[in-house]
Amino acid sequence: QKEVEQDPGPLSVPEGAIVSLNCTYSNSAFQYFMWYRQYSRKGPELLMYTYSSGNKEDGRFTAQVDKSSKYISLFIRDSQPSDSATYLCAMSASGNNRLAFGKGNQVVVIP
Amino acid sequence: DGGITQSPKYLFRKEGQNVTLSCEQNLNHDAMYWYRQDPGQGLRLIYYSQIVNDFQKGDIAEGYSVSREKKESFPLTVTSAQKNPTAFYLCASSIIGGGVVGAFFGQGTRLTVV
Repeated sequence: QKEVEQDPGPLSVPEGAIVSLNCTYSNSAFQYFMWYRQYSRKGPELLMYTYSSGNKEDGRFTAQVDKSSKYISLFIRDSQPSDSATYLCAMSASGNNRLAFGKGNQVVVIP
Repeated sequence: DGGITQSPKYLFRKEGQNVTLSCEQNLNHDAMYWYRQDPGQGLRLIYYSQIVNDFQKGDIAEGYSVSREKKESFPLTVTSAQKNPTAFYLCASSIIGGGVVGAFFGQGTRLTVV
């Protein structure tokens, strides 16, 4: 079993819809959870960062962490064509300076 | 502007050649990383360094080498021993805290073998 699982299947949604992305993980030591957005041919940019369980909201973006289920989610409300990108989840454990990445989800928002 | 600069953006390599990818950061981060990204594979860690003059192999280090002579710089050499070097290479840096509290990436170098 890979440390981080993220279904890489492309996701197409109409403009204004809610985008829901998720990752599961197997390492219970993970405490730091991140979402990155990567536009085509660019480097990933840090979108959201959460420590331990709970929710975090930033504008149209909400990150959720459920450590009991080893499951994290990213929601994008009122999606825009500019949200079209690949979204990667990443996580790390306390005292460990390595990030474990999911494979990424390609999201296409159709005007 | 603080950030991570990778150069060149595009690089072409002939079979049997070594090439070096540059990565410089002015974020005063202690940790630096090199990742390789292939379609459908996500990011795979090649090497990382937490301090000057020290570095560790990642998951796919074979055929690559690095150096960390300065805090700001972490160049990656793709050697002729790397059999399938065509990929998108990403450099990242982060602070070292209770974990990786968010790595920042450069814009990548796309390496193609011709």
